[in-house]
Amino acid sequence: NAGVMQNPRHLVRRRGQEARLRCSPMKGHSHVYWYRQLPEEGLKFMVYLQKENIIDESGMPKERFSAEFPKEGPSILRIQQVVRGDSAAYFCASSPNVVVNSGNTIYFGEGSWLTVV
Amino acid sequence: KNEVEQSPQNLTAQEGEFITINCSYSVGISALHWLQQHPGGGIVSLFMLSSGKKKHGRLIATINIQEKHSSLHITASHPRDSAVYICAVDRYSGGGADGLTFGKGTHLIIQP
Repeated sequence: NAGVMQNPRHLVRRRGQEARLRCSPMKGHSHVYWYRQLPEEGLKFMVYLQKENIIDESGMPKERFSAEFPKEGPSILRIQQVVRGDSAAYFCASSPNVVVNSGNTIYFGEGSWLTVV
Repeated sequence: KNEVEQSPQNLTAQEGEFITINCSYSVGISALHWLQQHPGGGIVSLFMLSSGKKKHGRLIATINIQEKHSSLHITASHPRDSAVYICAVDRYSGGGADGLTFGKGTHLIIQP
């Protein structure tokens, strides 16, 4: 049973380009979370998705960032017109189909390191 | 004030020492997680706790819900335990869901 798969592991983009980060949750998991870890800072929640639905995007920057989790395929975090401040590690996590707030075990991917030059 | 506070921020110890990392939180939670992150690496979930104590190998995690405090202990520490240890809480948000709220992490170095 493969874990949470993220790709690419490392991505370099020039300012103004687009970055797309992909996350395939563990088999049987339909809850996906994206977190960002800026250099020398802790992890911060960005967005929580279930299949075809954004449940909570309170941690997403208002502009340039979007996320989706289609019926088929991986979840995608998209950053348009990247700036140097977007350079960070982006982690995806998934959890099983269970009731919200029941304290689910959560599984993390290996992360995607974005560098904007 | 952060909702999740960890101490110490940095800890250097000798191989074999007993290690304690503390986490205090100020919000209602449904569970608390202890995570491990190696430099440039992914995040591994060590424990998920909602009460009491859990043990896995040389690692022990405890939580006191009334005091809103958790500790992670490492017995017979080894250089391979060197990593960042992160405390994260699953907030009880009354039907909403905003993932985890994280502490800033404790950088642990175990010297041979």
